[in-house]
Amino acid sequence: QSALTQPPSASGSPGQSVTISCTGTSSDVGGYNYVSWYQHHPGKAPKLMIYEVTKRPSGVPDRFSGSKSGNTASLTVSGLQAEDEADYYCSSYAGSNSVVFGGGTKLTVL
Amino acid sequence: QVQLVESGGGVVQPGTSLRLSCAASGFTFRSHGMHWVRQAPGKGLEWVAVIWYDGSDAYYADSVKGRFTISRDNSKNTLYLQMNSLRAEDTAMYYCARDRSWPASWFDYWGQGTLVTVSS
Repeated sequence: QSALTQPPSASGSPGQSVTISCTGTSSDVGGYNYVSWYQHHPGKAPKLMIYEVTKRPSGVPDRFSGSKSGNTASLTVSGLQAEDEADYYCSSYAGSNSVVFGGGTKLTVL
Repeated sequence: QVQLVESGGGVVQPGTSLRLSCAASGFTFRSHGMHWVRQAPGKGLEWVAVIWYDGSDAYYADSVKGRFTISRDNSKNTLYLQMNSLRAEDTAMYYCARDRSWPASWFDYWGQGTLVTVSS
């Protein structure tokens, strides 16, 4: 159950796009289309942004999109806005009824 | 609206026990699997455990297996986490989260968390 690998930080200016990667193995990210992404503002409850790799829950802006290639999943935030500044975590089903999270990426809007 | 409210956190000594609770409201609790997820200070999220909607089965992260027990009381709409033999590395904010689809394992609602500090 090793954590998925995310870059510690990412940044972009308002209006720009930024992509956050999430690398796992064939036993988790690569083995299932069960990758989720969460936005976490410190002190608040994490918020689901993407599920099952590409699906967006109701109420999440379409500026947020997800994809996957092999063992790496990605979250893209287009048209960056100030309120997008937060920590982002990926997660994946890892088989044997377990879940693994990434280490998190701090997104800064410059 | 869906609400998950954790409680029971505190400062405890290594080797002792603590039980966390998560009170659920605004949805049919008995229809959903539930999870505990934790975040150590300055670290990322770590999945801890899952329990089936009816309490018939539960699974744990290797880091807590044999020490923690997840349970639920569907008559009280409450989720629990019994933590025994606590270690310093168990210090974290503990969140409960609702499972929306297993094994797709996406958590659509989370609580605000309860802080557990294990220190002598």
